Amino acid sequence: DGGITQSPKYLFRKEGQNVTLSCEQNLNHDAMYWYRQDPGQGLRLIYYSQIVNDFQKGDIAEGYSVSREKKESFPLTVTSAQKNPTAFYLCASSEQGDGYTFGSGTRLTVV
Amino acid sequence: GQQVMQIPQYQHVQEGEDFTTYCNSSTTLSNIQWYKQRPGGHPVFLIQLVKSGEVKKQKRLTFQFGEAKKNSSLHITATQTTDVGTYFCAGATKTIFGAGTRLFVKA
Repeated sequence: DGGITQSPKYLFRKEGQNVTLSCEQNLNHDAMYWYRQDPGQGLRLIYYSQIVNDFQKGDIAEGYSVSREKKESFPLTVTSAQKNPTAFYLCASSEQGDGYTFGSGTRLTVV
Repeated sequence: GQQVMQIPQYQHVQEGEDFTTYCNSSTTLSNIQWYKQRPGGHPVFLIQLVKSGEVKKQKRLTFQFGEAKKNSSLHITATQTTDVGTYFCAGATKTIFGAGTRLFVKA
């Protein structure tokens, strides 16, 4: 079945540590996105990529980095510069003009 | 920049009652998308509206896109407990999500 796989489902990070969240899709979609969701809140765009080897900052890119070396993969690194990283992170993909397909998300907690 | 506002933020209904959530944009949208997120889950795409004044139905759900393409609504007829969740609208081009309306249904 086609879809988006995010891993891990739960992640615990120590203060000052970088962590990388994985996002893989087999839908052959060109565009991929990372969103952050805080409890009871909407989705805020972190980064997006419309084609391999190209990506753009979203509304809250500070403290995050991404890469898009393969069409199927769009990993997100949460760096130590992100002061409040505890949140639910959602990866999505789409074809132009279509709705988004979301992964099941990664819940990141700073300990 | 472009903003998408949703109201209400929360809605409590008795099972069988109707429910409506509204989405308003500060700018004209090329299209509007609606998503549902169950508690603890991830958003799932419901529908996309593109044309001015467009109305689409999915069983008990009715979606409308305003004539000026700046607002939209989602109406659920005779809510069921399975309708519980948060409903988001999202406006293109760089998809901007509204904050969502959280629906609670009491059996």
